[in-house]
Amino acid sequence: DAGVIQSPRHEVTEMGQEVTLRCKPISGHDYLFWYRQTMMRGLELLIYFNNNVPIDDSGMPEDRFSAKMPNASFSTLKIQPSEPRDSAVYFCASSLAGRADTQYFGPGTRLTVL
Amino acid sequence: GQQLNQSPQSMFIQEGEDVSMNCTSSSIFNTWLWYKQDPGEGPVLLIALYKAGELTSNGRLTAQFGITRKDSFLNISASIPSDVGIYFCAGAYNFNKFYFGSGTKLNVKP
Repeated sequence: DAGVIQSPRHEVTEMGQEVTLRCKPISGHDYLFWYRQTMMRGLELLIYFNNNVPIDDSGMPEDRFSAKMPNASFSTLKIQPSEPRDSAVYFCASSLAGRADTQYFGPGTRLTVL
Repeated sequence: GQQLNQSPQSMFIQEGEDVSMNCTSSSIFNTWLWYKQDPGEGPVLLIALYKAGELTSNGRLTAQFGITRKDSFLNISASIPSDVGIYFCAGAYNFNKFYFGSGTKLNVKP
């Protein structure tokens, strides 16, 4: 099993640019999560999907952030326009319904906004 | 938002020593998870706990779901250098929306 795949692994961009982060969950997992990790705030849940439908987006910082899951094997997190304070490591994770012990994280995307 | 207090923030121990860390919540959780994160990688799940009082082991690691459902503990016995990393607790009311602790950074001296 390939595990959760994220791309790119590193992204450096300038303030005001659009950033798109990508995630491929583990095949067969029906939940997908986007997290953000910073030194100041730790690991925060941004949004999660069940069967491609967003269930809870209360962690999304503001309207500049949006996430989609067009099918069971792909999700994107978009930031438009990006700001320096968005610099963080963004993780995608997936799991099976009701099985917390199946929540696996991807390797993360380290985003730097200059 | 939900507050999870994890302690200690960091630990420096000698190889072979036992380690204990804990997590407390301001609210009741139904699930507790413990993760380990190595530099440049995503967190890796170590142990999942589903019932108050539950004690679960994974090799040299043992975790407990507190009776009050507001805390959890992780113990590592006979530490080795590869135990180095950051350990996170996570709690949830349901099985999906997890809140994470701030992490315990473990350093092991050979």
